[in-house]
Amino acid sequence: EAQVTQNPRYLITVTGKKLTVTCSQNMNHEYMSWYRQDPGLGLRQIYYSMNVEVTDKGDVPEGYKVSRKEKRNFPLILESPSPNQTSLYFCASSRTRTDTQYFGPGTRLTVL
Amino acid sequence: AQKVTQAQTEISVVEKEDVTLDCVYETRDTTYYLFWYKQPPSGELVFLIRRNSFDEQNEISGRYSWNFQKSTSSFNFTITASQVVDSAVYFCALSSGDTGRRALTFGSGTRLQVQP
Repeated sequence: EAQVTQNPRYLITVTGKKLTVTCSQNMNHEYMSWYRQDPGLGLRQIYYSMNVEVTDKGDVPEGYKVSRKEKRNFPLILESPSPNQTSLYFCASSRTRTDTQYFGPGTRLTVL
Repeated sequence: AQKVTQAQTEISVVEKEDVTLDCVYETRDTTYYLFWYKQPPSGELVFLIRRNSFDEQNEISGRYSWNFQKSTSSFNFTITASQVVDSAVYFCALSSGDTGRRALTFGSGTRLQVQP
């Protein structure tokens, strides 16, 4: 089954404790992206990757890092999480940048 | 810069009513793509439709229909004979074909509540 998976689905952590949210897709898509969803703001892009080893900032990259060492994986790293990063995070992938993006199930992160 | 506006924050209808969700977009590009996604209470994002800027034909899929009008920069979504299962947040999104940086710019979403 074609899908985008994310782990963990739920995470409660404390300020400053490094964490990684994994994202994996099995569709051989070149384009992958991370979004955060906050009430009233819709989804905002954090980072995206056009292909392996090619990443770039989206609209709200501050406080986040990503890497794309393999085509299927695109982890999101929070080196020192802060409460304002409490949000619902989605990973997405698509064949190309303008094709339909398919989203993972979401990761609800709470930073205390 | 590109922007998507969904002016209706929340809409409440009674089952079997028709409802239209508005989407207005801004872009300087001649090639672009418009999308609608549905987010049910379970939280996942479900793709509904993708339309490119050169195809202004309206589309119908079951009870769903979409009206794309470049003259007014709108891509509205109509649900005919709404059902309780249509209750969700609906997002309109825009992807630029000409410029490089971003994949999707989302509107802030419209929450649709369908009462039985």
